[in-house]
Amino acid sequence: GAVVSQHPSWVICKSGTSVKIECRSLDFQATTMFWYRQFPKQSLMLMATSNEGSKATYEQGVEKDKFLINHASLTLSTLTVTSAHPEDSSFYICSARIAGRRYEQYFGPGTRLTVT
Amino acid sequence: SQQGEEDPQALSIQEGENATMNCSYKTSINNLQWYRQNSGRGLVHLILIRSNEREKHSGRLRVTLDTSKKSSSLLITASRAADTASYFCATDLANAGGTSYGKLTFGQGTILTVHP
Repeated sequence: GAVVSQHPSWVICKSGTSVKIECRSLDFQATTMFWYRQFPKQSLMLMATSNEGSKATYEQGVEKDKFLINHASLTLSTLTVTSAHPEDSSFYICSARIAGRRYEQYFGPGTRLTVT
Repeated sequence: SQQGEEDPQALSIQEGENATMNCSYKTSINNLQWYRQNSGRGLVHLILIRSNEREKHSGRLRVTLDTSKKSSSLLITASRAADTASYFCATDLANAGGTSYGKLTFGQGTILTVHP
């Protein structure tokens, strides 16, 4: 149980275009989802916290107009990278927390974004 | 500033040996968690230790927590080639009342290589 999927697993796009990444909790309801980015051989950096039905909370230094997050249902959150640039190339990972379980997060397999 | 600092950054051992990784942090925590990441993949939760616990075991894993030194260690006993991965500690910070903020701050990670 507690499986989180991400789609796509990898994507290549051109500079200036927008890319949408989906994060789904497959067998549980997730009131809270988190989005992280990870550069090669580095740690995960939290970008934003997404709560179902409300606006996402962004970490300091993360542009909310560039990284649009929508958590429209208890099983789906999306991250849209708008007007992508090569420096946005990274590994994006989402995690989801089961409603009522404050401490446990379940991670998706990640999405590799390459902007050319 | 980075909450979790891990050492060593890389560890190379032979199968059957024990592997110890350390994590230090700066501020008060509600709990500390250890995760494993295979190259280019998502994270797998290994173990969670609460701030009022000192030691926890799970199979071949042993985690210790010293809140006075703000440090934790992960010991993998009788390592196997399949244990080769990156290992991250993640702190769940506590507010003034000790309650979790519910979001994780990851350390830089230790790359473990176990040679058959």
